[in-house]
Amino acid sequence: EVQLVQSGAEVKKPGESLKISCKASGHKFANYWIGWVRQMPGQGLEWMGIIHVGESDIRSRPSLQGQVTISADKSISTAYLQWSSLRAPDTGVYFCAICAHGSSDWPDWGQGTLVTVSS
Amino acid sequence: QSALTQPASVSGSPGQSISISCTGSSSDVGHNFVSWYQQHPGKAPKLMIYDVSNRPSGISYRFSGSKSGNTASLTISGLQAEDEADYYCNSYTTIAPNYVFGTGTKVTVL
Repeated sequence: EVQLVQSGAEVKKPGESLKISCKASGHKFANYWIGWVRQMPGQGLEWMGIIHVGESDIRSRPSLQGQVTISADKSISTAYLQWSSLRAPDTGVYFCAICAHGSSDWPDWGQGTLVTVSS
Repeated sequence: QSALTQPASVSGSPGQSISISCTGSSSDVGHNFVSWYQQHPGKAPKLMIYDVSNRPSGISYRFSGSKSGNTASLTISGLQAEDEADYYCNSYTTIAPNYVFGTGTKVTVL
């Protein structure tokens, strides 16, 4: 089992930048996919994108391209989700999850990071 | 990529069985890589079923999955109060980012 620990809650103003993190422990990180999932208030789960940590292969939701950046540093087993200019609709909880290469299920999840964007 | 279609809500009495459907297309559910997640309020999703019908270690036998064509189903038998939660299907898809969730189903135990 892999443990995923996410960074803490953030309160930001529209236009500000933000980078949240997801640190993995308990297994080798290089041959896994890390996914980022958004859950807006009272809404369902939505994939934002996935990254293969070892190969830096990134697959993002087309509608979000240019708005968020997904990255990872395999040397410290950490994945990131970054915004250069936040907007109020970015408010929500962001989960990271991990999937072994060659698999299609996501058995381990972070605790979630609440991002609040408000003026 | 639109979300897979699930009923908004399903309810049942303790001890009963309920089923939740998840309808997609040949580009997603048709690939047999369907998983199901349970989410209690304020918590992270929890994997309940993977690859259509497989249960991870530690998941109760009361949870089972199946698929027919482009519609997958999750069945909860012997419904218990602790099963009250939101349930989401998830499928591999050929469209980036290569996974898509269902719209989610709220299960209520009467």
